[in-house]
Amino acid sequence: DQQVKQNSPSLSVQEGRISILNCDYTNSMFDYFLWYKKYPAEGPTFLISISSIKDKNEDGRFTVFLNKSAKHLSLHIVPSQPGDSAVYFCAASAVSDQFYFGTGTSLTVIP
Amino acid sequence: NAGVTQTPKFQVLKTGQSMTLQCAQDMNHNSMYWYRQDPGMGLRLIYYSASEGTTDKGEVPNGYNVSRLNKREFSLRLESAAPSQTSVYFCASYYRGGNEQYFGPGTRLTVT
Repeated sequence: DQQVKQNSPSLSVQEGRISILNCDYTNSMFDYFLWYKKYPAEGPTFLISISSIKDKNEDGRFTVFLNKSAKHLSLHIVPSQPGDSAVYFCAASAVSDQFYFGTGTSLTVIP
Repeated sequence: NAGVTQTPKFQVLKTGQSMTLQCAQDMNHNSMYWYRQDPGMGLRLIYYSASEGTTDKGEVPNGYNVSRLNKREFSLRLESAAPSQTSVYFCASYYRGGNEQYFGPGTRLTVT
């Protein structure tokens, strides 16, 4: 059973606009959440993370929001750039070294 | 600092053949992982190792074995490859207390 879900397989956004990628989870024990970015033929690379004690974390153009009551997190990219076109995975862990990944959302930023 | 390295990058096997995927990290991380990525399935954990000498099954361990040779190296073995094992395999490492896992570039395996 998938504990971390990304229900949108793909998303297209115009350059300069906001990209919003969503992720839902089912395990209330998760206390740490991450977003990874993956280009074709490369391994995933870390983008941004958030601890369950926070509801927002910002790093430049990237902001992650966490809504614990809804078991939902989202990644906002503002402004979107063509170089942001990639597959984005959300991941979660629960006080352990084991991480659970979503199925990914393919973002295309149109110039 | 090479980070996480994987060999080979590509491999084609016939059904029933065996092979070992190699992974090494030079960051002195305790934990290492093997994932497979399939279309529409995301990254699924095959096995992981929280420390040298220990290994644990992940979500999809059937058909695979692993070996944590030392702190740096974590290998994944397919004893008798099946077409269902056609996938892209990623190795990762993690330092407890750190922010994130570090991934290798992947091995694309095709079993015919």
